[in-house]
Amino acid sequence: AQKVTQAQTEISVVEKEDVTLDCVYETRDTTYYLFWYKQPPSGELVFLIRRNSFDEQNEISGRYSWNFQKSTSSFNFTITASQVVDSAVYFCALRGTGFQKLVFGTGTRLLVSP
Amino acid sequence: DTGVSQDPRHKITKRGQNVTFRCDPISEHNRLYWYRQTLGQGPEFLTYFQNEAQLEKSRLLSDRFSAERPKGSFSTLEIQRTEQGDSAMYLCASSPPGGNEQFFGPGTRLTVL
Repeated sequence: AQKVTQAQTEISVVEKEDVTLDCVYETRDTTYYLFWYKQPPSGELVFLIRRNSFDEQNEISGRYSWNFQKSTSSFNFTITASQVVDSAVYFCALRGTGFQKLVFGTGTRLLVSP
Repeated sequence: DTGVSQDPRHKITKRGQNVTFRCDPISEHNRLYWYRQTLGQGPEFLTYFQNEAQLEKSRLLSDRFSAERPKGSFSTLEIQRTEQGDSAMYLCASSPPGGNEQFFGPGTRLTVL
């Protein structure tokens, strides 16, 4: 079975603070894919990043960075110098081998106040 | 660049009625997915098409649910004899050939009274 756990239900920060969203996954597949999506108040899921299981290199894109650690089955997401526009629900998702479906976590709501 | 579109955006219906939703994927995306999202939860997979073939179906997709993609382009999701428990956001996504990312549409919010 595949499972994604996002233990943080809601995080509140003040603008310019750094914030890390945690994601822990479970899978028996040796090849799999991990994703992060953003769901702003408008409701549309926005794709942020995909990471393959065989590529443990961390990635940075502007204020966003992702830390993938297979040893702890984690794929954490850090926003540096948060902004009000970052306020949204963030979902981590997993896709295993042989299936196309994404398995999502329950999401973390991020509130960034001015 | 046109994204995934869904119609209608909102649907209110009475219990027992049938409803149909439409999804138009991004042009040249051969894979199409349907998910359902209830309040406070992540999306849950319903079904997947590659071109016109329905290749995966979730156990969530009861006999009252049916999805089609007749020409490998747009897709429809029909719910027959709606129940209050069907109230949710129904999301459609598409992927290009060989791609692993799924790009989502704005969703159709269904309210069953």
